[in-house]
Amino acid sequence: NAGVTQTPKFQVLKTGQSMTLQCAQDMNHEYMSWYRQDPGMGLRLIHYSVGAGITDQGEVPNGYNVSRSTTEDFPLRLLSAAPSQTSVYFCASSYLVNGGDSPLHFGNGTRLTVT
Amino acid sequence: DQQVKQNSPSLSVQEGRISILNCDYTNSMFDYFLWYKKYPAEGPTFLISISSIKDKNEDGRFTVFLNKSAKHLSLHIVPSQPGDSAVYFCAASDPGGKLIFGQGTELSVKP
Repeated sequence: NAGVTQTPKFQVLKTGQSMTLQCAQDMNHEYMSWYRQDPGMGLRLIHYSVGAGITDQGEVPNGYNVSRSTTEDFPLRLLSAAPSQTSVYFCASSYLVNGGDSPLHFGNGTRLTVT
Repeated sequence: DQQVKQNSPSLSVQEGRISILNCDYTNSMFDYFLWYKKYPAEGPTFLISISSIKDKNEDGRFTVFLNKSAKHLSLHIVPSQPGDSAVYFCAASDPGGKLIFGQGTELSVKP
């Protein structure tokens, strides 16, 4: 069982470039989300989705776009990368919307550096 | 404003002793609280949770305590083992499904 798969594991971008971080889950989870982890800031929610076709903003959505065309995939797009987006990005999914009843399963992260 | 706070960035404990990790929150609408554990180069993994209607939940060596009046929760690990060395994140869930995390506490258990 693969769980939550994130690609790529590492990426270096120049300022202004665009890219898409891929996330796929094979557990038929309805809820998916993206977090970024920065030193001293913990994990901050970027965007989340409660099902195919539905997305919403989290705590730090600026500079990022998402879409959810299928239950399995939830890509995160950086349209014009900035050095402030240098971070480790985690995708996570859960069976139910409510985090307490249905804990999140995380991928292993994508380490992004923007120069 | 940080809705979930872990004020201790690090904690060092001797093997076999108790580890106590603390977390404070501000939003009284949070209905579940969870603890996640994270090793380097891996994603966080779920450890234990507690509903806002309870004040204690145990799972083996791990116990979470919730004090709603103080908006405070804590994770107790007894006895601590070197394999428990990791970063621990406290998280809180609102009824809409958003899971908000604290900054994390790095636990080091010395043999």
